[in-house]
Amino acid sequence: GENVEQHPSTLSVQEGDSAVIKCTYSDSASNYFPWYKQELGKGPQLIIDIRSNVGEKKDQRIAVTLNKTAKHFSLHITETQPEDSAVYFCAASTYSSASKIIFGSGTRLSIRP
Amino acid sequence: DAGVTQSPTHLIKTRGQQVTLRCSPKSGHDTVSWYQQALGQGPQFIFQYYEEEERQRGNFPDRFSGHQFPNYSSELNVNALLLGDSALYLCASSNTGVLLFGPGTRLTVL
Repeated sequence: GENVEQHPSTLSVQEGDSAVIKCTYSDSASNYFPWYKQELGKGPQLIIDIRSNVGEKKDQRIAVTLNKTAKHFSLHITETQPEDSAVYFCAASTYSSASKIIFGSGTRLSIRP
Repeated sequence: DAGVTQSPTHLIKTRGQQVTLRCSPKSGHDTVSWYQQALGQGPQFIFQYYEEEERQRGNFPDRFSGHQFPNYSSELNVNALLLGDSALYLCASSNTGVLLFGPGTRLTVL
């Protein structure tokens, strides 16, 4: 079945530096790739998503890249701030099964002051 | 709009018992999905409800069942609880395919 692998599991960066989280997926039919941020005691919150017809998407300090050939996609956060500290999940699904999202195992991001 | 709401917030049950969790979708959303998130892991898809019917199902046993009501709200039922069912149960609603998650119900099975 579909599998999404995420690395690293933990990441600590200095405030103001960049953070990169990488994911790979196994199902070549996947064409929708959302990223979620989960803070303690809350449900996952969608922060950005990308569809397979696009190679890169940016929203302020957050950017995602997608390499369909290699089945890789990445999240880049620039100019990190203390409020960026959280657990981040990558995920994959298909348009026809948009609710059946396969999540990665998560990356705990800590921002050092 | 309160977004997706879930009740109760926390729940403690013993092995063998049955539990019902409830979810109210965001106003305007007609599709509800349920996910199980074990501690330290990513959420796992349980099933999706649309037009009061189960449309998709993940790799969960029949002990997990659900229901969607005419007002789009939903229930998740788990029978014969096992210790391994302890997790955060997340409800997500949508109408365009983009999921909006609720805060979850923390279920502890003793």
